Amino acid sequence: AQSVTQPDIHITVSEGASLELRCNYSYGATPYLFWYVQSPGQGLQLLLKYFSGDTLVQGIKGFEAEFKRSQSSFNLRKPSVHWSDAAEYFCAVDHRYSGGGADGLTFGKGTHLIIQP
Amino acid sequence: GAGVSQSPRYKVAKRGQDVALRCDPISGHVSLYWYRQALGQGPEFLTYFNYEAQQDKSGLPNDRFSAERPEGSISTLTIQRTEQRDSAMYRCASSSIAGETQYFGPGTRLLVL
Repeated sequence: AQSVTQPDIHITVSEGASLELRCNYSYGATPYLFWYVQSPGQGLQLLLKYFSGDTLVQGIKGFEAEFKRSQSSFNLRKPSVHWSDAAEYFCAVDHRYSGGGADGLTFGKGTHLIIQP
Repeated sequence: GAGVSQSPRYKVAKRGQDVALRCDPISGHVSLYWYRQALGQGPEFLTYFNYEAQQDKSGLPNDRFSAERPEGSISTLTIQRTEQRDSAMYRCASSSIAGETQYFGPGTRLLVL
């Protein structure tokens, strides 16, 4: 079955430290990949996306992600986190471009990021 | 409008009651999507529209769930005879055309008692 896996349910990082959130997907074709962030009481905000081309993509708020076809991964990184980065992070893939049976996005279960002072 | 809006933001329903959730997409956006997000989970795709045409409803969990977008703008997700298991956050998103970036609304939190 096609899926998106975020293996870390919670991650705790000290303010100013680097961050990497993992995302793996299982699809036959090259997918369209996304990272969204959800802050408490807020909607989902797009951080960045990968459609094609350069496998290292830059997003908002200093985030970046690297698409690695050989590992079926699209990990999210940030060199130095801020307390305001505390939120839920979701990786997602677009079915339409992956030969999936349904349209729309398939999301992982999310990673809850906690920032320690 | 500036973003996707949804109403109501919170809805408490008694089991067996019908509920209607509204989504107002970004002006001019052709595609509109509905998702359901259970607590501690990622959003789950339900259905989507291009203009007024419902393109895919395979994600709707059963025939109590239906959606419409009669004029190709505002959409309504209706849940008939609600059950406790329907309690979740219902999210709407829109995109300029199908396949482009989806922009999400704040969601409607539904609690069925």
